[in-house]
Amino acid sequence: AQSVAQPEDQVNVAEGNPLTVKCTYSVSGNPYLFWYVQYPNRGLQFLLKYITGDNLVKGSYGFEAEFNKSQTSFHLKKPSALVSDSALYFCAVRDTYRGSQGNLIFGKGTKLSVKP
Amino acid sequence: NAGVMQNPRHLVRRRGQEARLRCSPMKGHSHVYWYRQLPEEGLKFMVYLQKENIIDESGMPKERFSAEFPKEGPSILRIQQVVRGDSAAYFCASSPGIGTGELFFGEGSRLTVL
Repeated sequence: AQSVAQPEDQVNVAEGNPLTVKCTYSVSGNPYLFWYVQYPNRGLQFLLKYITGDNLVKGSYGFEAEFNKSQTSFHLKKPSALVSDSALYFCAVRDTYRGSQGNLIFGKGTKLSVKP
Repeated sequence: NAGVMQNPRHLVRRRGQEARLRCSPMKGHSHVYWYRQLPEEGLKFMVYLQKENIIDESGMPKERFSAEFPKEGPSILRIQQVVRGDSAAYFCASSPGIGTGELFFGEGSRLTVL
């Protein structure tokens, strides 16, 4: 079955420090991977995606993610965290099963808390 | 605003009533997806529609829930005879078609069942 796992419910980081939010996936075929961010009482905002090409993908707000095929991981990173980065982060993979080729399968989300 | 528009943003219903949630996709998008987010949980896929067609409803509860995306007008998610367990945030997303990658999400409709 296709799935996404975000092993950490919460990540705490001090402002200015690097941050990593972890994601692993299980999918048949080549994965299409995504990161979204959700602020309280808001919808999801797209951050970045990996389809093919360079394993290091750069996205919005200074975020980047590294695709690692051997470890089936797609961790989200940022070199220097801001308090305003505090939010809920979702990793997702495109569902290529049952012909539903546009639908995304989401992880449970990781709450990022950046303290001043 | 050319984004995905959802309304109402907040809806309160008593048990047994009907809830109708509407979604207008981004301009030029013909694919609509509905997701449900329960407290402290991620997003769960419910249904995927194109104009006048339900493509995948594998995530929809078998009873009381239905969705449509007519030729004209918004997509509608309908919940009949609501129960307290239906209280959640319902998100709509759209895309221009297969192969483009990301989905574009609306702000959500938050249903509270009393």
